[in-house]
Amino acid sequence: LAKTTQPISMDSYEGQEVNITCSHNNIATNDYITWYQQFPSQGPRFIIQGYKTKVTNEVASLFIPADRKSSTLSLPRVSLSDTAVYYCLVGITGTASKLTFGTGTRLQVTL
Amino acid sequence: GAVVSQHPSWVICKSGTSVKIECRSLDFQATTMFWYRQFPKQSLMLMATSNEGSKATYEQGVEKDKFLINHASLTLSTLTVTSAHPEDSSFYICSARDQTAGRLETQYFGPGTRLLVL
Repeated sequence: LAKTTQPISMDSYEGQEVNITCSHNNIATNDYITWYQQFPSQGPRFIIQGYKTKVTNEVASLFIPADRKSSTLSLPRVSLSDTAVYYCLVGITGTASKLTFGTGTRLQVTL
Repeated sequence: GAVVSQHPSWVICKSGTSVKIECRSLDFQATTMFWYRQFPKQSLMLMATSNEGSKATYEQGVEKDKFLINHASLTLSTLTVTSAHPEDSSFYICSARDQTAGRLETQYFGPGTRLLVL
């Protein structure tokens, strides 16, 4: 299983764009990259998933360079409610591959 | 998106009793579900992989006789904590893999179950 490395914590002001980078040097050819958001005492919530280049949905963008050894989750104009822990996971879709959680990034958004 | 539910959301029990936690995929079928445990301020730790119609696969260090997993249908997996002790107090979270044709294939997580063993 590919190991991921993220910053332990980040701080941001409300209204700013936040970029959280995840390193996954040992990513395999069939691995996808998935990001989750977790609030205290809740289960992780799916944010976005991608394989290469750029993926965008209504809440975030995911940038993946050509070598796929890292990825960046971009949250546009964060609000206080975006304060949470964000996890980057790497795993194979199309199989029953298990996902291993790293430490995650604790994002604190303030006024 | 796909929805996964858990029941109960929290439970308090006496030491030595058994507690069952249910995990349901509400709008999709899941041949594979996963059970995690999370302690305060820590990341999720995978306990086991639950396979519909077959035995669960446990991670190293997880006692299969203590954490009984049953995946009897494509929408339901249960985790039973047998003879619970205070050190089993934790936040238990399940996830289910959505492989429905036409949907983004990924894992969706339940809301979690808080277990407190007195």
